[in-house]
Amino acid sequence: DTGVSQDPRHKITKRGQNVTFRCDPISEHNRLYWYRQTLGQGPEFLTYFQNEAQLEKSRLLSDRFSAERPKGSFSTLEIQRTEQGDSAMYLCASRTQGGRDNQPQHFGDGTRLSIL
Amino acid sequence: KNQVEQSPQSLIILEGKNCTLQCNYTVSPFSNLRWYKQDTGRGPVSLTIMTFSENTKSNGRYTATLDADTKQSSLHITASQLSDSASYICVVSAGNNNDMRFGAGTRLTVKP
Repeated sequence: DTGVSQDPRHKITKRGQNVTFRCDPISEHNRLYWYRQTLGQGPEFLTYFQNEAQLEKSRLLSDRFSAERPKGSFSTLEIQRTEQGDSAMYLCASRTQGGRDNQPQHFGDGTRLSIL
Repeated sequence: KNQVEQSPQSLIILEGKNCTLQCNYTVSPFSNLRWYKQDTGRGPVSLTIMTFSENTKSNGRYTATLDADTKQSSLHITASQLSDSASYICVVSAGNNNDMRFGAGTRLTVKP
């Protein structure tokens, strides 16, 4: 399978714990995005990388959230001191950058986080 | 206020029937508009992408239209199948294509 892969698919943890999610993009894609999606809503942008550089962060990304893409390939999203409001689906997407920028984003199937 | 509004919020139709989903946007400057299909528990999958100069684009039983003057798009599904049951999300990109605004989606249920 050469699509975007996310791990784990589900994560249940107690409030206050730290969690880390991983995303493996399509190998030739240099852009990687993180989104958060709650039930009945569309994805909300969190941050994106071009290669290893984090180019933009949403105001939704509080100081408890941090994302990395150290070698320009896979990325991790860490949430520290989780709160119940962090319960959501965390989606990763990737695409190529260039041309007329009409390349679609390819999404992974997400990590569903549940905070007890 | 979300800059991409979709209607209806949910829709139930019988298998074999047609339906049309609406997307109104205020995103400016406009770059392109995409429709995504999202099955329950899965990530969104791109169906169509439309730029300013395109009025209609088809992908199998899916046909998207775009009126850039009125800032409206529609997604028409013909001869619906049970597998069409999903959320359909409209995504509008601003000029630099990095500012993507997602609609809340229309939840379509196709019943036998």
